[in-house]
Amino acid sequence: RKEVEQDPGPFNVPEGATVAFNCTYSNSASQSFFWYRQDCRKEPKLLMSVYSSGNEDGRFTAQLNRASQYISLLIRDSKLSDSATYLCVVNMNTGGFKTIFGAGTRLFVKA
Amino acid sequence: DAGITQSPRHKVTETGTPVTLRCHQTENHRYMYWYRQDPGHGLRLIHYSYGVKDTDKGEVSDGYSVSRSKTEDFLLTLESATSSQTSVYFCATSETGLGEKLFFGSGTQLSVL
Repeated sequence: RKEVEQDPGPFNVPEGATVAFNCTYSNSASQSFFWYRQDCRKEPKLLMSVYSSGNEDGRFTAQLNRASQYISLLIRDSKLSDSATYLCVVNMNTGGFKTIFGAGTRLFVKA
Repeated sequence: DAGITQSPRHKVTETGTPVTLRCHQTENHRYMYWYRQDPGHGLRLIHYSYGVKDTDKGEVSDGYSVSRSKTEDFLLTLESATSSQTSVYFCATSETGLGEKLFFGSGTQLSVL
């Protein structure tokens, strides 16, 4: 089992739709969590950190569920420009620094 | 965006040759990283640095070495390139802590023939 797992998708949604992605992690020692977006053939860019209390940035909401060991990303009112691959990242301290990227979830937003 | 420059952007080399990739940052970030990205895999950490001359191995460090002689430069060397090292390599930096809020360079596409 992978330490961080994401549904690869693709998710195909119309403009204006709400879409949610989950990312599960297996190590309970995981300490910090992030969502990045990556456009085709580009570098990843930080979208948002994920906090236990949940956090929101405009149309994006991130949640952490430590009991069930997953993080989620909700995108409301999807735009064409949201089309990208969304990567979840989990940092762990298991006697040393360890960071695991999920393989990503592809999102296509269509007009 | 953080000023992170990777060079070269593309490289084709032959099996068995040494290759050095360079990462240069202008943000004075303490932490620097080298990742590789392959289809079907998430980005995988090769090596990282937590200060000048302070480096450590990531999960896929075999066949790679790094050096950081200045805050702004982090070099990745493939000692003897193999076809399995064909990949896209990303350098990243962070300011506040290991793995926290990474800023990435544009990547280097390396092909080992």
